[in-house]
Amino acid sequence: AQSVAQPEDQVNVAEGNPLTVKCTYSVSGNPYLFWYVQYPNRGLQFLLKYITGDNLVKGSYGFEAEFNKSQTSFHLKKPSALVSDSALYFCAVRDADTGRRALTFGSGTRLQVQP
Amino acid sequence: SQTIHQWPATLVQPVGSPLSLECTVEGTSNPNLYWYRQAAGRGLQLLFYSVGIGQISSEVPQNLSASRPQDRQFILSSKKLLLSDSGFYLCAWGPGQSSYEQYFGPGTRLTVT
Repeated sequence: AQSVAQPEDQVNVAEGNPLTVKCTYSVSGNPYLFWYVQYPNRGLQFLLKYITGDNLVKGSYGFEAEFNKSQTSFHLKKPSALVSDSALYFCAVRDADTGRRALTFGSGTRLQVQP
Repeated sequence: SQTIHQWPATLVQPVGSPLSLECTVEGTSNPNLYWYRQAAGRGLQLLFYSVGIGQISSEVPQNLSASRPQDRQFILSSKKLLLSDSGFYLCAWGPGQSSYEQYFGPGTRLTVT
């Protein structure tokens, strides 16, 4: 079985400060990892993915994430937060070694960036 | 480019009434299609997914069903809605063969009264 944990319900940062949203995962095989963002009453928008290769992946809107296999983590980061980054962020995983194409999502972390 | 549509955007239905939510994808062929439900603005629960016409996999037993009558059309249905069916329903698509990320539609807000 595959699972994702987002240990923080909410993260508060000041505008201009770096932000980190945490994610840990569990899969029996190799992971495909994803981050999505959701604005109120909207669908999820894809931010970035880790499939293979470099552990640091860069995505949309200046976000990046670091894959750490030993810690089974895939934390989302941004060097300088914007107020417009305030939203709900989801981490998701898929086991690359099974035929199951569906993603398993974490419970989400609400990011609040204060001006 | 690919786009995904869902309708209606919002729906208020009484308990016991039927349901039909529609999702269509443009600009791609043979996509994998997914239905998720999001309750209380948080976690997503996978309801159904489909890898082709008429091929539906159900993730959880429930009051809902799904159908895929055409390659790029995915329908979520119920014969009799329950209060617990209220939520935000999201359709998503992914590329057929090398399916990595999924792309989500705008969602349907269903309120069962």
